[in-house]
Amino acid sequence: EIVLTQSPGTLSLSPGERATLSCRASQSISNSYLAWYHQKPGQAPSLLIYGASNRATGIPDRFSGSGSGTDFTLTISRLEPEDFAVYFCHHYGSSLGTFGQGTKVEIK
Amino acid sequence: QVQLVQSGSELKKPGASVKVSCKASGYSFTDYAMNWVRQAPGQGLEWMGWINTNTGNPTYAQGFTGRFVFSLDTSVSTAYLQISSLKAEDTAVYYCARDWGKHVMDVWGQGSTVTVSS
Repeated sequence: EIVLTQSPGTLSLSPGERATLSCRASQSISNSYLAWYHQKPGQAPSLLIYGASNRATGIPDRFSGSGSGTDFTLTISRLEPEDFAVYFCHHYGSSLGTFGQGTKVEIK
Repeated sequence: QVQLVQSGSELKKPGASVKVSCKASGYSFTDYAMNWVRQAPGQGLEWMGWINTNTGNPTYAQGFTGRFVFSLDTSVSTAYLQISSLKAEDTAVYYCARDWGKHVMDVWGQGSTVTVSS
């Protein structure tokens, strides 16, 4: 089973600032089968990125994903008020799919 | 519009069973598999596994074998999660999520809270 470690645990930023979230895998992830979700308080998670760098339908271009192998990054170029949430990375593509523990992006 | 609507909150005693439903609308139910995800209070997400909505064949992730059963009623476009012999540590929000492909989850239900307490 691949273990995903996200950092930092909490990111304190102001609206308009750039956010950079990291997801590191314990083994290389084949085919870049890495997705990102965000979850606002009291809501279900929502898909942002799949295949490491592909935005899901309707996701604004301030969200971008990058990386391959064991190191992946989610970047939010300019934080909007609705972007303050918890972000999870997810390794998929097999019966051993796992999530990272999450990064909380909070208002500074 | 595409949506998944789950059943409401449940309060159960240890040892009891619970069945959570997830009704799909706005798309052809058998065109997409269904995943289940658990979130314990204040914790992260755990992928529980998935069910093939064409064959009804379930696949369970590590840690979710034995007491957890995925099932379907395709006549009403509904997936089910049944948990037996409930324990306090089963207290969580359970989500169903449509499988867009290879277990990427593009549409989520609102979640069903299961509380296990004596």
